[in-house]
Amino acid sequence: TQLLEQSPQFLSIQEGENLTVYCNSSSVFSSLQWYRQEPGEGPVLLVTVVTGGEVKKLKRLTFQFGDARKDSSLHITAAQPGDTGLYLCAGEVDSSYKLIFGSGTRLLVRP
Amino acid sequence: KAGVTQTPRYLIKTRGQQVTLSCSPISGHRSVSWYQQTPGQGLQFLFEYFSETQRNKGNFPGRFSGRQFSNSRSEMNVSTLELGDSALYLCASSLSGDAGYEKLFFGSGTQLSVL
Repeated sequence: TQLLEQSPQFLSIQEGENLTVYCNSSSVFSSLQWYRQEPGEGPVLLVTVVTGGEVKKLKRLTFQFGDARKDSSLHITAAQPGDTGLYLCAGEVDSSYKLIFGSGTRLLVRP
Repeated sequence: KAGVTQTPRYLIKTRGQQVTLSCSPISGHRSVSWYQQTPGQGLQFLFEYFSETQRNKGNFPGRFSGRQFSNSRSEMNVSTLELGDSALYLCASSLSGDAGYEKLFFGSGTQLSVL
């Protein structure tokens, strides 16, 4: 069974601080995606990483895919209240048209 | 371009009843997938449809079923509701359903409460 474990589960930080969220698995994924979900809405795709060791930057967000394609991290620099939300990593299982989601990291950025 | 539309937004049912949820994908998208989100289990895959064919199904009991119409709109049905079925049901659409590489567009979900 392929599982994605995220840490930490909850994170409450002050505006301007940096943070890193981790997504780990014992299985290899051909790609990993990161989503952000705000209350009352569905998840919105932030990025897809497909190559081991790949690093992608999206403004203040930096995403990294582990060399062995079993883990990924999301780093936010100078967090802002607008970054508040539930961050989810997800991977597809064997071209099965379904995503396995991590348990999520709930981030609160206090002004 | 209109997003994924799910109706109704909120639903309250009692145990034993059945419910039908609807999802209208983005125009041109032929793949529709459904997920259940609960605080305890997170997001779990229910099923995926492409061109009216179910291509994959998650580990849910047979009380959970779905279908897709020729215009790509999809419905899911839950019969004999149980308290544990209370959840946010999310629908996502994409062009081909290649979930690991394509962008899935999620609707805002239907919040189902079973009393």
